[in-house]
Amino acid sequence: EAQVTQNPRYLITVTGKKLTVTCSQNMNHEYMSWYRQDPGLGLRQIYYSMNVEVTDKGDVPEGYKVSRKEKRNFPLILESPSPNQTSLYFCASSLSRGTGQPQHFGDGTRLSIL
Amino acid sequence: AQTVTQSQPEMSVQEAETVTLSCTYDTSENNYYLFWYKQPPSRQMILVIRQEAYKQQNATENRFSVNFQKAAKSFSLKISDSQLGDTAMYFCAFSSNFGNEKLTFGTGTRLTIIP
Repeated sequence: EAQVTQNPRYLITVTGKKLTVTCSQNMNHEYMSWYRQDPGLGLRQIYYSMNVEVTDKGDVPEGYKVSRKEKRNFPLILESPSPNQTSLYFCASSLSRGTGQPQHFGDGTRLSIL
Repeated sequence: AQTVTQSQPEMSVQEAETVTLSCTYDTSENNYYLFWYKQPPSRQMILVIRQEAYKQQNATENRFSVNFQKAAKSFSLKISDSQLGDTAMYFCAFSSNFGNEKLTFGTGTRLTIIP
């Protein structure tokens, strides 16, 4: 089954404790991206990757890191989480650049930073 | 930068009725893509419909159809014969034909179908 898998689904942690949210897709997609969803703001892009070893900032990259060492994986790293990073996070992937192919989303990760 | 506006934060409609969700956007590009995504209480993001800006014909998917007015930069979603399972948050989204395939989302419309 074609899917984007995120883990964990839920996480409650404390300020400053490094955490990683994993994302993996099995569709051989080149493009992967992270979004955060906040009430009244919709979804906003954090980082994206056009291919292996190619990553770039989205609209709200502060406090986050990513890496793309393999085509299928695109982890989101919060080196020193703060309460303003409490949010619902989505990983997404799509086939190719500039053709408007629909993005496939993971099921979301609810992060609470205390 | 592109912006997407959904001016109806909440809507409700009786089951089996038709409802239209509004979306406007702003861009200087001529070729782009527009989407409606559904987010049910399970919080999954589910693609409802996709429109290519260079196509005049409005996209349809079963009970879902769009009214795409390119000159007015309007992209509304019509749901016919609404069902209880249509209860969800609906997001309108824009994607450029160039560079980053970022989806720019509106703030969403929470739709409730009343039995």
